[in-house]
Amino acid sequence: QKEVEQNSGPLSVPEGAIASLNCTYSDRGSQSFFWYRQYSGKSPELIMFIYSNGDKEDGRFTAQLNKASQYVSLLIRDSQPSDSATYLCASYTSGTYKYIFGTGTRLKVLA
Amino acid sequence: GAVVSQHPSRVICKSGTSVKIECRSLDFQATTMFWYRQFPKQSLMLMATSNEGSKATYEQGVEKDKFLINHASLTLSTLTVTSAHPEDSSFYICSARPRTDYEQYFGPGTRLTVT
Repeated sequence: QKEVEQNSGPLSVPEGAIASLNCTYSDRGSQSFFWYRQYSGKSPELIMFIYSNGDKEDGRFTAQLNKASQYVSLLIRDSQPSDSATYLCASYTSGTYKYIFGTGTRLKVLA
Repeated sequence: GAVVSQHPSRVICKSGTSVKIECRSLDFQATTMFWYRQFPKQSLMLMATSNEGSKATYEQGVEKDKFLINHASLTLSTLTVTSAHPEDSSFYICSARPRTDYEQYFGPGTRLTVT
């Protein structure tokens, strides 16, 4: 069973701090990785995706991928209370054309 | 760009009836559409993958005769929950993927309550 694992949290950080969210995956054939934010009762919205080893930055968000360790992370700088949500990590494998989601990490940014 | 709509956003039906949910890609052609189900405090569970003009591929444990999926055009897929029961109450979310992208774009979801 191909899996994506995340710590369910909640992860609590003070406003203005860096939030670090982590994800591991089991399928070495996974090619792309996605981070979604999901507010309660809403559908997920894409934050960013990454497919090359290293870092990818977009505004306050940085995704990091380490294929050797099968590890993906998302850093949120200058965290705001509006960032409080569940963050879903997903992998995509072109061979199966499917996305596999982790269970999500709940982030709480404390004002 | 890349907007996906779902209709209805919320539906309440009686046990034994059928409900149809529509998923539309509004500004792109979706060669692949996905249907997910999400129970409270749980992650997304893929139910099926549908490609335009072909039969849907269902995930293990998902009854194809109960959850009928039709992907009749490059912009529309429908999910029909037949003979719904209270345990089918859930948040159903579709997503659509353009031919040239790895990304999938989610619809806003449909909250189904079966009484």
